[in-house]
Amino acid sequence: GEDVEQSLFLSVREGDSSVINCTYTDSSSTYLYWYKQEPGAGLQLLTYIFSNMDMKQDQRLTVLLNKKDKHLSLRIADTQTGDSAIYFCAERLYAGNNRKLIWGLGTSLAVNP
Amino acid sequence: DTGVSQNPRHKITKRGQNVTFRCDPISEHNRLYWYRQTLGQGPEFLTYFQNEAQLEKSRLLSDRFSAERPKGSFSTLEIQRTEQGDSAMYLCASSDYRGPATNEKLFFGSGTQLSVL
Repeated sequence: GEDVEQSLFLSVREGDSSVINCTYTDSSSTYLYWYKQEPGAGLQLLTYIFSNMDMKQDQRLTVLLNKKDKHLSLRIADTQTGDSAIYFCAERLYAGNNRKLIWGLGTSLAVNP
Repeated sequence: DTGVSQNPRHKITKRGQNVTFRCDPISEHNRLYWYRQTLGQGPEFLTYFQNEAQLEKSRLLSDRFSAERPKGSFSTLEIQRTEQGDSAMYLCASSDYRGPATNEKLFFGSGTQLSVL
């Protein structure tokens, strides 16, 4: 079946790196996304990776994809208090249609000063 | 580009009342999506439009829910005879869809928080 799993909570100290993990079950993923949601707000697209890539770097963000293990991670370097939010992993299945975005439950990141 | 705009931001209503939410997508975006989100959950797909055509509704969506996008720009989501279980954040997203082989990125609004008393 289609499922995306994430750990629910992560706590880090300001300045450290954060690594948020995600596993998915469907091997027909085309794109995988990371969204950020701050309290009471909508979702902000942070970054994405195409399924034939294994790494993508964008400033402080590094996405790693292990397609064999169906594992995706988001590393935030030099984590700041403004990074405190819920991070959602989502996979787009090969359906040509974004209704097939499968979402995780989100990882709540707490950054302690 | 002013982003996706939703209003109202908050709506409190009594059970049994009808409510309507509005979404203004990013200009020129051809697709518009409605999602629902409750605490501790990811977004749940409700329905989506390509231009003015409603292409899909979730099978989980009650007949009390209806959405329109009459001119292919803004959209409204109406909930009739609201129930306490309808309390949630209603999110709208839009995209510039270029075809099935392309990376369709969704841009979300800030949502409408509905509380049904």
